[in-house]
Amino acid sequence: NAGVTQTPKFQVLKTGQSMTLQCAQDMNHNSMYWYRQDPGMGLRLIYYSASEGTTDKGEVPNGYNVSRLNKREFSLRLESAAPSQTSVYFCASSEGGGADTQYFGPGTRLTVL
Amino acid sequence: LAKTTQPISMDSYEGQEVNITCSHNNIATNDYITWYQQFPSQGPRFIIQGYKTKVTNEVASLFIPADRKSSTLSLPRVSLSDTAVYYCLVGDENSNSGYALNFGKGTSLLVTP
Repeated sequence: NAGVTQTPKFQVLKTGQSMTLQCAQDMNHNSMYWYRQDPGMGLRLIYYSASEGTTDKGEVPNGYNVSRLNKREFSLRLESAAPSQTSVYFCASSEGGGADTQYFGPGTRLTVL
Repeated sequence: LAKTTQPISMDSYEGQEVNITCSHNNIATNDYITWYQQFPSQGPRFIIQGYKTKVTNEVASLFIPADRKSSTLSLPRVSLSDTAVYYCLVGDENSNSGYALNFGKGTSLLVTP
């Protein structure tokens, strides 16, 4: 099993450009998450999906959109990138929500110039 | 949403036992306590989870007093490779909300020779 995979690993954007971060899991998990982590900070939840077909906002959703394409895939889209969105983005999945163990991908390091 | 408080940083020498305490004064009846470990440039990974008393696995022990308002992660005989950030989370087993988990800033542990 590959676990949770993310693409791309690195990306540089100019202000105003758009892009989609891809995430896939092969553990048949119901819940999936997108976090961002800034230097010296913990992880902040952007969006999550408790099950296929549902998405909900987390702590910092502004400037982002998500799509739960199917049970395996959960994408994060930046419509008009801003320098404040420079961060490392982690995708995670868990069987259920709440206290269920979350399994994380390797992260995407995004720089917005 | 239960708030957790843990030290920002800790230092230790190799071979010592390290105890990291987390406060969660408003923990709810259905909440579990979970600890994650994060190495630089990687996503967090699950270490241990408990509800009450003591839990032990091959990596760590988790001590939870009767009132459950705090918990202590114990790492026996740490090595240089235990240098990482450790996150304490409190989450509801029955919650469908991924937002129930707040990673915060964690405790940065530095192990030196």
